[in-house]
Amino acid sequence: AQSVAQPEDQVNVAEGNPLTVKCTYSVSGNPYLFWYVQYPNRGLQFLLKYITGDNLVKGSYGFEAEFNKSQTSFHLKKPSALVSDSALYFCAVRDNPGTYKYIFGTGTRLKVLA
Amino acid sequence: EAQVTQNPRYLITVTGKKLTVTCSQNMNHEYMSWYRQDPGLGLRQIYYSMNVEVTDKGDVPEGYKVSRKEKRNFPLILESPSPNQTSLYFCASSERGGFGASQKLFFGSGTQLSVL
Repeated sequence: AQSVAQPEDQVNVAEGNPLTVKCTYSVSGNPYLFWYVQYPNRGLQFLLKYITGDNLVKGSYGFEAEFNKSQTSFHLKKPSALVSDSALYFCAVRDNPGTYKYIFGTGTRLKVLA
Repeated sequence: EAQVTQNPRYLITVTGKKLTVTCSQNMNHEYMSWYRQDPGLGLRQIYYSMNVEVTDKGDVPEGYKVSRKEKRNFPLILESPSPNQTSLYFCASSERGGFGASQKLFFGSGTQLSVL
């Protein structure tokens, strides 16, 4: 069965410092991997995806993620954090070519300190 | 503007009183789905639909029903709500397809449901 783990409930980082939000996954085939962000009182917004190709994926708002097949990880990164990046981040996986069942992680709250 | 619209935004009800949460998208998406968000559990998929008249169970379908009579609408029905269904609910839609498709889920703003 597919699964996603986000091992950190919260990540604190100082403004201007690099940030990493961790995600590991388990699927039976080749995964479709996603990151979404949720701001307070809002729905989730798409940040980026990995389907195939280059292991380093660039997305919205300066975020990027690195797909590592051997470590089954898809960590979200940003070189320089902004206070406005503070939000709840979700990693998600979908089987390929399989079903349209999405599995989301439990979420990581990112707090960027001024 | 491309969007997924959920209604109502907030809903308080009592145990056993049937309710429907509506979801509509204006992007001609084939795929639609419902999720519930609970603290510490993240988002869990309730039901999804890959096309009109085609629905499938997600991970937590018990106590919920859905229908997909039209492409744009995907209502979530709680026929006899219970307090454990108190949660934040999200509807989402996307294109359906392989590598060439967007794969991007568009989410509604959410419905906060309280069952007393």
